[in-house]
Amino acid sequence: DAGVTQSPTHLIKTRGQQVTLRCSPKSGHDTVSWYQQALGQGPQFIFQYYEEEERQRGNFPDRFSGHQFPNYSSELNVNALLLGDSALYLCASSSGTSGSQREQYFGPGTRLTVT
Amino acid sequence: AQSVTQLGSHVSVSEGALVLLRCNYSSSVPPYLFWYVQYPNQGLQLLLKYTTGATLVKGINGFEAEFKKSETSFHLTKPSAHMSDAAEYFCAVSDHGNEKLTFGTGTRLTIIP
Repeated sequence: DAGVTQSPTHLIKTRGQQVTLRCSPKSGHDTVSWYQQALGQGPQFIFQYYEEEERQRGNFPDRFSGHQFPNYSSELNVNALLLGDSALYLCASSSGTSGSQREQYFGPGTRLTVT
Repeated sequence: AQSVTQLGSHVSVSEGALVLLRCNYSSSVPPYLFWYVQYPNQGLQLLLKYTTGATLVKGINGFEAEFKKSETSFHLTKPSAHMSDAAEYFCAVSDHGNEKLTFGTGTRLTIIP
């Protein structure tokens, strides 16, 4: 049973560019959350997708957007990249009744470097 | 707003010694509490969680944590450290019915042979 997968593993972009990160949830999972982990920090919640809709959002600017597809996979898009966007981006998936506390399974992350 | 404080960004213990990683939370009501472990170049793995019921929670790899409401704490312990325990450990909190996790800044655990 494949766990949460993310692509690419590493990415280098230039300031002002746009980037798309991809996530495939664990088999049977329908909810995807994205987190940003800056170097030396704990992960910070960006947003969560369920039934192809953004269900909740953390304190991130509109430059960060996402999408969930009918097969539950998800994309994270970041526009107008800043140096401060350099981080490990983690995807987490879960499944179960909406509103209940469900275990989140994390992928290995995508390391984004902005130069 | 919820917050999590992890005391000690770096902790070193000898192999076979007790591991104690500290976590305190700030929340108006008792939240759900979690401990995650992160090995180099990997994602997060859930060690254990507290939702309701028994306040002493046992997790994987011999770790356990105790929820103490009066102290707003959820410290992680392991009786005997193993070299394979060397990793970054994160305490996290969420509200009931809300899957958004708020993480602490992490504690890097080093095991001394």
